[in-house]
Amino acid sequence: GIQVEQSPPDLILQEGANSTLRCNFSDSVNNLQWFHQNPWGQLINLFYIPSGTKQNGRLSATTVATERYSLLYISSSQTTDSGVYFCAVERAVKFYFGSGTKLNVKP
Amino acid sequence: ETGVTQTPRHLVMGMTNKKSLKCEQHLGHNAMYWYKQSAKKPLELMFVYSLEERVENNSVPSRFSPECPNSSHLFLHLHTLQPEDSALYLCASSQAGVNQPQHFGDGTRLSIL
Repeated sequence: GIQVEQSPPDLILQEGANSTLRCNFSDSVNNLQWFHQNPWGQLINLFYIPSGTKQNGRLSATTVATERYSLLYISSSQTTDSGVYFCAVERAVKFYFGSGTKLNVKP
Repeated sequence: ETGVTQTPRHLVMGMTNKKSLKCEQHLGHNAMYWYKQSAKKPLELMFVYSLEERVENNSVPSRFSPECPNSSHLFLHLHTLQPEDSALYLCASSQAGVNQPQHFGDGTRLSIL
């Protein structure tokens, strides 16, 4: 299968700070998604981004498929951003998840 | 997220019980997935169904038995589970063959007594 590595594993931020989360993957993929899992376990789609850059409010993501990595930027972080951020890649119907970055935003 | 509905949301069962988890998707997708997420661990893919055919079975114990009667419904039948099977079970769907995102249900939190 495809190996997906996320960094950092844990991140503590003060409210208002910016951060960058990274996702590296070991092989070519058809699809890449970023998810936010809230404290209640719900997985929320953030971005579907197999390549290029997308922005949605304070969040943006960039995937460089040829170099097999993706970045998730969080600007002006808020306490509601806390949770675990997962990167998932897909090839041939199968999805492979990273171990996640656990983010704690403190007021 | 809307579009993928899982029931029940919470389930407590003994090791000798038999129960089923249900997932229904309203997105017109043709692939469905079961994932297991144990505490402090990443998501583990359990089963993949594409066009109602099982594509992937990641060495899941036989006490977990999936069923996909049609492209909108997916079940996970549980019997004689072990305490280590306590976890969050997530269902997802996608459109196979087309570059579109995967959508998740809210999960069933399972506790084995």
